[in-house]
Amino acid sequence: DTEVTQTPKHLVMGMTNKKSLKCEQHMGHRAMYWYKQKAKKPPELMFVYSYEKLSINESVPSRFSPECPNSSLLNLHLHALQPEDSALYLCASSHGFNQETQYFGPGTRLLVL
Amino acid sequence: GDSVTQMEGPVTLSEEAFLTINCTYTATGYPSLFWYVQYPGEGLQLLLKATKADDKGSNKGFEATYRKETTSFHLEKGSVQVSDSAVYFCALSDRQNQGGKLIFGQGTELSVKP
Repeated sequence: DTEVTQTPKHLVMGMTNKKSLKCEQHMGHRAMYWYKQKAKKPPELMFVYSYEKLSINESVPSRFSPECPNSSLLNLHLHALQPEDSALYLCASSHGFNQETQYFGPGTRLLVL
Repeated sequence: GDSVTQMEGPVTLSEEAFLTINCTYTATGYPSLFWYVQYPGEGLQLLLKATKADDKGSNKGFEATYRKETTSFHLEKGSVQVSDSAVYFCALSDRQNQGGKLIFGQGTELSVKP
């Protein structure tokens, strides 16, 4: 089973709202990732967690706050977003971090009004 | 730094046509190479991968061979179907550079007509 699940599937929020995206995997993977994808573009890496610790932050604005409560769960907390943050947010996981195959979830399509 | 270059799309083919999507890469180390596919409205799915030179990845009728001498990983399928319509991303992961992050090409949109 190579399934990564994400909730919600769609999210509409105002610029003053606080919301969270959730990601879950039960493959025993120790690396988890958040990506942002604009239409018809490749995914852009935002954060990497390795063994539940943040190991990479690709200079993402502080209005995006990741959290890894345990080895199976990854959250992305959103606050005071801008309309240009509207995108597909993808979660991925891999067994380890170095050159390991990453498995992606279906994504959360976010619209910021 | 490492990079991946894919042929530009969109690519439009008739059903049962032969497909080639070109992918070349630049890497200082010995990367693993991947093809991901993204169907409309969905996330990325791993299509196939190769971890060393001359390896051939294959899945669902798609194939790609890791060619170190030409730094290429071209995707091929002998007979495409309408259901293959999607965006295809070539990617690499290089432990010696980029710390193992996935580096993506720009994506190639494929449209298959009945």
